[in-house]
Amino acid sequence: DIQMTQSPSTLSASVGDRVAITCRASQSISSWLAWYQQKPGKAPKLLIYKASSLESGVPSRFSGSGSGTEFTLTISSLQPDDFASYYCQQYNSYPWTFGQGTKVEIK
Amino acid sequence: EVQLVESGGGLAQPGGSLRLSCAASGFPFSSYSMNWVRQAPGEGLEWVSYISSSSTSIYYADSVTGRFTISRDNAKNSLYLQMNSLRDGDTAVYYCARGAVAGHRGGMDVWGQGTTVTVSS
Repeated sequence: DIQMTQSPSTLSASVGDRVAITCRASQSISSWLAWYQQKPGKAPKLLIYKASSLESGVPSRFSGSGSGTEFTLTISSLQPDDFASYYCQQYNSYPWTFGQGTKVEIK
Repeated sequence: EVQLVESGGGLAQPGGSLRLSCAASGFPFSSYSMNWVRQAPGEGLEWVSYISSSSTSIYYADSVTGRFTISRDNAKNSLYLQMNSLRDGDTAVYYCARGAVAGHRGGMDVWGQGTTVTVSS
């Protein structure tokens, strides 16, 4: 199985900050990576697919980059609505796997 | 409106069974693959199972293989998860999530609100 490792596990930041979350795959997954945002008590929301494609309706302050085994989700200017947990997920091969999550907290 | 609505969660004893359902609306259900994803209390997301649009391809997480069965009825726009031999570790919120349109790969772009499964004696 492909292991997905996110860092950091928790990130404290202020409104307006530029933040980056890293996701590493235990083997190459090409660009078959998605990023999700989840708020407490809510279902996840797709932000990015195919490593860098922005899902329709998602603000342009979110961007994704990387390929192979190293990926990054960047929020260019953190907004109050962005404080949430973020997960990467590989869909290169089954079983699909998620990273353990990154919680973005208010500093 | 594109929507997924799960049902069928509840309390089950260890070793027991439950059947989850997911009703889809607002999109051509038969054209999309579907998934089940779960989240244990206070934990991260765990993908559980995948079924292709025509049910020809099915995959499971190692943790549920041999105990859970995914199925769909395209005539009824419905997705199912039959869960047998339930364990304490199956306690979670279970989400159904839409995958990519047939012939494509993509993330899971539409999610239900989730249904809670509690396994306890």
